[in-house]
Amino acid sequence: DADVTQTPRNRITKTGKRIMLECSQTKGHDRMYWYRQDPGLGLRLIYYSFDVKDINKGEISDGYSVSRQAQAKFSLSLESAIPNQTALYFCATSDFQGSGYTFGSGTRLTVV
Amino acid sequence: QKEVEQNSGPLSVPEGAIASLNCTYSDRGSQSFFWYRQYSGKSPELIMSIYSNGDKEDGRFTAQLNKASQYVSLLIRDSQPSDSATYLCAGYILTGGGNKLTFGTGTQLKVEL
Repeated sequence: DADVTQTPRNRITKTGKRIMLECSQTKGHDRMYWYRQDPGLGLRLIYYSFDVKDINKGEISDGYSVSRQAQAKFSLSLESAIPNQTALYFCATSDFQGSGYTFGSGTRLTVV
Repeated sequence: QKEVEQNSGPLSVPEGAIASLNCTYSDRGSQSFFWYRQYSGKSPELIMSIYSNGDKEDGRFTAQLNKASQYVSLLIRDSQPSDSATYLCAGYILTGGGNKLTFGTGTQLKVEL
C-alpha cells in the first residue's frame, strides 16, 4: 500500500459544485501539505498543517478550504469549483522541519 | 529573484553522457536542499537530499551544494532514456519562512538514444 494515498485519482466536476479531495498517510508524519500543479507554473502551495490543530494558508488559498481530521488525514475542499481550478493536485507529508516531502500519487481534477 | 530558480530546459543529452542540472536560491542562510524527479503526469519522487557544502553521491547521482554561491546542482552519470523527466530543486529558503520547502519550477531533461 502507498504511504500517502489520495482519492479520487481522477475527477470531472461541473462549475459551481463542491468537491472534496482526500489524503491519508501511514508514515506517521505530523506535517501535511496540499499543492496544485499547472503546466509551466510548478508546484504551488494551497494549505499546510504542522499538526492536527495547526492550519495555514499557502500562496494560493482563495477558493479552497481544508480539514485536518486526524494526524493521518488532510482533506482539501473546493467550495464552488471553477474551470481555472482544473489542475493536478498533490498531497505531501513530512516528518520535521528540514526533511524532504513524500508525495501522494495525485488527483487530476477537471472542472467543466 | 525567485526564491528557487531553475532553467526550464529542455536539456538534451545523449545516452551515456553526464547530465548537469542547476539551481540557484535567494537566501544564503537557507538550509537543506532536495532534488525530485517527476515523470509526466506522475508525482514528484525524492531522489537526493543535501544538507552541507560539498558533494553527495548515490549511485549514478551526485548532488552538489555551494552555500557561498547559493547554488545546488545534480549530476546524472551514464544518463539513460529512463532518466528523461522533469527535475525539481527544492530547499528550505529563509525568505519563504524557512519552515517549509520552496520548489523551483523544474528542468526538463531529455536523454536521447
